[in-house]
Amino acid sequence: DAGVIQSPRHEVTEMGQEVTLRCKPISGHDYLFWYRQTMMRGLELLIYFNNNVPIDDSGMPEDRFSAKMPNASFSTLKIQPSEPRDSAVYFCASRTSDRALGYTFGSGTRLTVV
Amino acid sequence: DAKTTQPPSMDCAEGRAANLPCNHSTISGNEYVYWYRQIHSQGPQYIIHGLKNNETNEMASLIITEDRKSSTLILPHATLRDTAVYYCIARSNFGNEKLTFGTGTRLTIIP
Repeated sequence: DAGVIQSPRHEVTEMGQEVTLRCKPISGHDYLFWYRQTMMRGLELLIYFNNNVPIDDSGMPEDRFSAKMPNASFSTLKIQPSEPRDSAVYFCASRTSDRALGYTFGSGTRLTVV
Repeated sequence: DAKTTQPPSMDCAEGRAANLPCNHSTISGNEYVYWYRQIHSQGPQYIIHGLKNNETNEMASLIITEDRKSSTLILPHATLRDTAVYYCIARSNFGNEKLTFGTGTRLTIIP
């Protein structure tokens, strides 16, 4: 299993541009999570899906952020328009329906907005 | 999730056992103890979890005190690749999905 796959690994964009981050969860995992990590705030849960349906998006910072999961093997996190304060590492994670087995995280996308 | 307290940093010689402590004195009966680690520039990695009994897997051992107020993660033969930030989390397997990682312990393996 290749694990959770995120792309791109690094993204540098100018303020105001649209940014799309991508995630492929582990096959068979029912849950998918988007986290953001910064030095100041640590790891924050942005949104999570169960069986492709968004369950809790209370962590999404603003309307500029949106996430979709059109099918079981793909999810996107979009920021439009991007701002410098969005600079962070964005992680995608997935897990099976058995929460006790833990979460598998991807390698992350390091986003820099200049 | 119950609050956990870990030392901010530790060093361990390569080849020796690394023992990472965690206090969770307010843990409730249905909360498990989970350990994750984050190696530089990578996503967090699940290591092990337990409820009451000691647990062992291919990565580590978890020792939980009888009163469940503290635990120790043991890496039996630490290698340079074990240098990472280690997070201890106390949470139930129901309810809120949010993982609260805290500040963790930065473990440095010394050659």
